[in-house]
Amino acid sequence: DGGITQSPKYLFRKEGQNVTLSCEQNLNHDAMYWYRQDPGQGLRLIYYSQIVNDFQKGDIAEGYSVSREKKESFPLTVTSAQKNPTAFYLCASSIAGQIYGYTFGSGTRLTVV
Amino acid sequence: ELKVEQNPLFLSMQEGKNYTIYCNYSTTSDRLYWYRQDPGKSLESLFVLLSNGAVKQEGRLMASLDTKARLSTLHITAAVHDLSATYFCAVAPRDNFNKFYFGSGTKLNVKP
Repeated sequence: DGGITQSPKYLFRKEGQNVTLSCEQNLNHDAMYWYRQDPGQGLRLIYYSQIVNDFQKGDIAEGYSVSREKKESFPLTVTSAQKNPTAFYLCASSIAGQIYGYTFGSGTRLTVV
Repeated sequence: ELKVEQNPLFLSMQEGKNYTIYCNYSTTSDRLYWYRQDPGKSLESLFVLLSNGAVKQEGRLMASLDTKARLSTLHITAAVHDLSATYFCAVAPRDNFNKFYFGSGTKLNVKP
């Protein structure tokens, strides 16, 4: 079955650590996205990528980094520069043009301890 | 700054009743998406609306889009408990439809 896999489901980070969230898709989608969701709020765009080896900042990119070395993979690193990283992180993908909208992964819940 | 506003933010209703959720947006767009999210879960696509006047229906839910008014509605008919969830609308601006902007969500609780 085609889909998007995010791992891990839960992640705990100590102050000052970098952590990487994995996102893999086998839908052959060109575009991939990372969103952050805080409790009781909507989703905010962190980074997105339309093609391999290219990506653009979203509205809240500070403290995050990404790479897109393969079409199937779009990992997100939460760096120590992100002062308030506790949130639910959602990865999504879409075909070019987004006429069918996004397909979302199951999410990673990151908590700072 | 692009804004997507949903109302109400919270909705508690009895089974069997009808209600409408509204999604207003501040940019030029003819692409509007509705998603459902269950607690602690990811988002599930409900409707894709791609033109002015578009109307889509699935079961007890019906979504419509008025691009001139910059308004989409999600109408619930004869609500049942299984519809309890948070509903999000998302807009793709015409000048960059690669970026979706989400509303804050409407948390729906249907009481038996």
